[in-house]
Amino acid sequence: DQQVKQNSPSLSVQEGRISILNCDYTNSMFDYFLWYKKYPAEGPTFLISISSIKDKNEDGRFTVFLNKSAKHLSLHIVPSQPGDSAVYFCAASAAGAGSYQLTFGKGTKLSVIP
Amino acid sequence: EAGVTQFPSHSVIEKGQTVTLRCDPISGHDNLYWYRRVMGKEIKFLLHFVKESKQDESGMPNNRFLAERTGGTYSTLKVQPAELEDSGVYFCASSLTSSYNEQFFGPGTRLTVL
Repeated sequence: DQQVKQNSPSLSVQEGRISILNCDYTNSMFDYFLWYKKYPAEGPTFLISISSIKDKNEDGRFTVFLNKSAKHLSLHIVPSQPGDSAVYFCAASAAGAGSYQLTFGKGTKLSVIP
Repeated sequence: EAGVTQFPSHSVIEKGQTVTLRCDPISGHDNLYWYRRVMGKEIKFLLHFVKESKQDESGMPNNRFLAERTGGTYSTLKVQPAELEDSGVYFCASSLTSSYNEQFFGPGTRLTVL
């Protein structure tokens, strides 16, 4: 049973436009959420995180939004650049409950078209 | 500052053989995690060390897998005897603290069991 779901396996966006990647979760104990970016043959690279006490966190071109009532989070990339083309993973942990393992979604492959 | 390193990058072994994977975390990171990604599936948690102690090993698939972290520095993950379903990419990650803290991933070890 997948507790973190990324329902779009792939997404194509024009360079300069906004990329929106979505993630849903089912476990109400999750209170810390992270986005990772992964290039082929490399490990996941941390992008941005958000704790459940916030609904938005911004870092440069990357913004993560959290909707706790809907158990939904999204990553916005503005403006999108060709170098952003990669697989993006959503991950969650129940840190407040003492569980620090990350539960990952299956990933969304983003292609930014020049 | 050096990131998380893993050795070897690739390993091809036959069913029934033994393989040992090594992970060197970021210097000063007490928390070390092992994850695995089997082809086509999501990245899954295996276990978590705090210094030399196993904090959480709930993700270890069976007793053919043995993880150690002697002295609280580098860690090894031994698979003995290896089975076909053990094939996948094994990632190691480290973090400074456990709670509400991003985990930094290594490049992974691709294990193929023939």
